[in-house]
Amino acid sequence: NAGVMQNPRHLVRRRGQEARLRCSPMKGHSHVYWYRQLPEEGLKFMVYLQKENIIDESGMPKERFSAEFPKEGPSILRIQQVVRGDSAAYFCASSPNEGLWETQYFGPGTRLLVL
Amino acid sequence: SQQGEEDPQALSIQEGENATMNCSYKTSINNLQWYRQNSGRGLVHLILIRSNEREKHSGRLRVTLDTSKKSSSLLITASRAADTASYFCATDSTGANSKLTFGKGITLSVRP
Repeated sequence: NAGVMQNPRHLVRRRGQEARLRCSPMKGHSHVYWYRQLPEEGLKFMVYLQKENIIDESGMPKERFSAEFPKEGPSILRIQQVVRGDSAAYFCASSPNEGLWETQYFGPGTRLLVL
Repeated sequence: SQQGEEDPQALSIQEGENATMNCSYKTSINNLQWYRQNSGRGLVHLILIRSNEREKHSGRLRVTLDTSKKSSSLLITASRAADTASYFCATDSTGANSKLTFGKGITLSVRP
């Protein structure tokens, strides 16, 4: 059973461009979470999604950021018109439908660098 | 300030020694989890302890939870150089929709 997959692992963008980060949860998992980690900091919650639904987006900036988890395909975190302050590691986590649903399994992250 | 705050911020020990890391939090929780992160990598889930549990073991790991003091400790026994990493506690607060709140982490260095 493959773990949580994220791509790309590294992404370089110039200010004003768009960044698209992808996350494929573990097989059998329908809960996806996105977190952001700034250097030397812990992870900060951004958004929690289930298939086709945003459950909690309280940690997501109101502008430029959006997330989706379509019926088919990976979850996408989209950052429009990136700024230098968006440079960070973005981690996706997934949890199963039942059983140990509280345990979140993390992907390797996407490191975004905005020039 | 952070919901989960770990201390110390950095810990350096000799291989074979025990490492104790502490975490405090502020709100009521469903559970508390510890994760490990190697430099530049993703997080690895270590152990989850529920709010009605007081102690849990997994291999060389021992976690305690004191809900009256809103604190937890992670003990790694007989440390190895491979344990060198950052360790984070994360809380799943009641009514928080399963989102985890992380502390800033503890940097553990185990000298061979």
